[in-house]
Amino acid sequence: GESVGLHLPTLSVQEGDNSIINCAYSNSASDYFIWYKQESGKGPQFIIDIRSNMDKRQGQRVTVLLNKTVKHLSLQIAATQPGDSAVYFCAENISVSPKVTFGIGTKLQVIP
Amino acid sequence: GAVVSQHPSRVICKSGTSVKIECRSLDFQATTMFWYRQFPKQSLMLMATSNEGSKATYEQGVEKDKFLINHASLTLSTLTVTSAHPEDSSFYICSAPTQPNTEAFFGQGTRLTVV
Repeated sequence: GESVGLHLPTLSVQEGDNSIINCAYSNSASDYFIWYKQESGKGPQFIIDIRSNMDKRQGQRVTVLLNKTVKHLSLQIAATQPGDSAVYFCAENISVSPKVTFGIGTKLQVIP
Repeated sequence: GAVVSQHPSRVICKSGTSVKIECRSLDFQATTMFWYRQFPKQSLMLMATSNEGSKATYEQGVEKDKFLINHASLTLSTLTVTSAHPEDSSFYICSAPTQPNTEAFFGQGTRLTVV
């Protein structure tokens, strides 16, 4: 099913600390996952992606972990900065379909 | 990264009028584009998949006669909100992948206010 119509949970983190944002996805057939960052009044921006044949992928200051057993995805942001404040969405995709389904989203507030 | 441009960024219209929103892929060709709707503090809800040269595929519960989608070229998809009402006020966002099953790039979004 799709996780829509629910209000965003909020995560507050002190500047410099690490942030972990979690996402539960619904479709066990999904094999491609993406994290997006959305700032207020703007469209989502790609952060990092991972395919189902991997369980971890690292980028610059970000790491995505995938646990297919429990259908869980997480985004770790190292040394969180004020500019990281935004809403973060996970999205899932099945390779036989072009459709991307978004999760609920988490609002990250960085405390200076 | 690839660039997707959406226009207008904001529009205010009167009830009963129609509004057209454009989504352009500026540096790549997009056979598929997606239209989303987003209410305040909520997630993106997929409305429809826009297919170049063929009919759009609408999600369940989305009225195709209300939200007309045209994808006449490989770089342009349009969403027309027909006979708009205040409940259609929302943030509309388009996206396009550069290749199938890769990350999609998003437009800036269009804030529609119907008065």
